[in-house]
Amino acid sequence: GAGVSQTPSNKVTEKGKYVELRCDPISGHTALYWYRQSLGQGPEFLIYFQGTGAADDSGLPNDRFFAVRPEGSVSTLKIQRTERGDSAVYLCASSLAGITDTQYFGPGTRLTVL
Amino acid sequence: AQKVTQAQTEISVVEKEDVTLDCVYETRDTTYYLFWYKQPPSGELVFLIRRNSFDEQNEISGRYSWNFQKSTSSFNFTITASQVVDSAVYFCALSARADSNYQLIWGAGTKLIIKP
Repeated sequence: GAGVSQTPSNKVTEKGKYVELRCDPISGHTALYWYRQSLGQGPEFLIYFQGTGAADDSGLPNDRFFAVRPEGSVSTLKIQRTERGDSAVYLCASSLAGITDTQYFGPGTRLTVL
Repeated sequence: AQKVTQAQTEISVVEKEDVTLDCVYETRDTTYYLFWYKQPPSGELVFLIRRNSFDEQNEISGRYSWNFQKSTSSFNFTITASQVVDSAVYFCALSARADSNYQLIWGAGTKLIIKP
């Protein structure tokens, strides 16, 4: 079956602009996760959805970051007033039921803020 | 606090050699889960294995094997007869309730270079 997909694969934007990153999880997976990864580092947790609700958003760095999953499937990560420090690869993962299940990752969106 | 240590930053071996990647974890929970992921140069994190704390059986999958030892809090990964396609960054991760509510705690990763 299809894996986790993310669009766009690359996004270049200017400082101060707004961006949206999309994640399409594996069909039937109720849990969805957003991470970001900087070069040479492991993934950094941002937010975890169980169904439509954010079960844990403790990793969002500040109020410029927001994520939604209105129908319990596709999720959008929204970043307002982007800063150069937001440049990273944003990874999405999904798991079948809950947070102790195996997370399967998408290919990521590389965000570059100029 | 929970922690995952991958002490080997980078390992370089010649093709067909065996190589072991070390992973040491810390948690006060008795129920926890351990994972290994592979991240090739393409960037996508590929799941390799999940192990829960009550299952100490070692596992073999083709050229890959994992040695889980609770006594030393280690979950090491061995590649037998390495191939160039094994070149990647390998991450070990821990999921436990205490302090992180089962969020994955990641090691820093080990970059494995297999030379032809």
